[in-house]
Amino acid sequence: SQQGEEDPQALSIQEGENATMNCSYKTSINNLQWYRQNSGRGLVHLILIRSNEREKHSGRLRVTLDTSKKSSSLLITASRAADTASYFCAVSGNTPLVFGKGTRLSVIA
Amino acid sequence: ETGVTQSPTHLIKTRGQQVTLRCSSQSGHNTVSWYQQALGQGPQFIFQYYREEENGRGNFPPRFSGLQFPNYSSELNVNALELDDSALYLCASSFSGTGGIGELFFGEGSRLTVL
Repeated sequence: SQQGEEDPQALSIQEGENATMNCSYKTSINNLQWYRQNSGRGLVHLILIRSNEREKHSGRLRVTLDTSKKSSSLLITASRAADTASYFCAVSGNTPLVFGKGTRLSVIA
Repeated sequence: ETGVTQSPTHLIKTRGQQVTLRCSSQSGHNTVSWYQQALGQGPQFIFQYYREEENGRGNFPPRFSGLQFPNYSSELNVNALELDDSALYLCASSFSGTGGIGELFFGEGSRLTVL
């Protein structure tokens, strides 16, 4: 399966703290993508990192990719209450994108 | 705003009925994917269409079927509805090229309740 698996399942932090979520996968990939979902809404693309990249930034987001360990991490710095959502990773290879169960992030004001 | 629209947003059906969900993809995208998301779970891949042909299918029975039209709009049809089909159905459009699947643009989903 090319599914990414997120860890932890749930994370609760105070506003202003950093949040780190991890993703592991099992096969070779072309790229890895992170998405965010507010409750009951559609998923929103956050960032895509290609297999030949090791780190990527977008605003308060930092994504790393270690293809030797088949893992990725998403760091949200200086979290805000509005960052409360579920976060999913998905890997892209020769098959359609599949998603894991996600990490539910709660940011407490 | 992703430019992907789904209809209807909510609907209620009874067991055994049939349902058709619709999706209008973003302009320029050649791929549409459908996902089923039960409450508290991640999106489960149903199938994907590339240039009007199904080119990937998840672990869903044949009563889940789809179509992609020349204007890249799409339909998801589910026959003989079961209670477990109650879920949020998400459509996502993208552009597929040699670098694998790019960013998915999701609609807001169709919430199906089967009674």
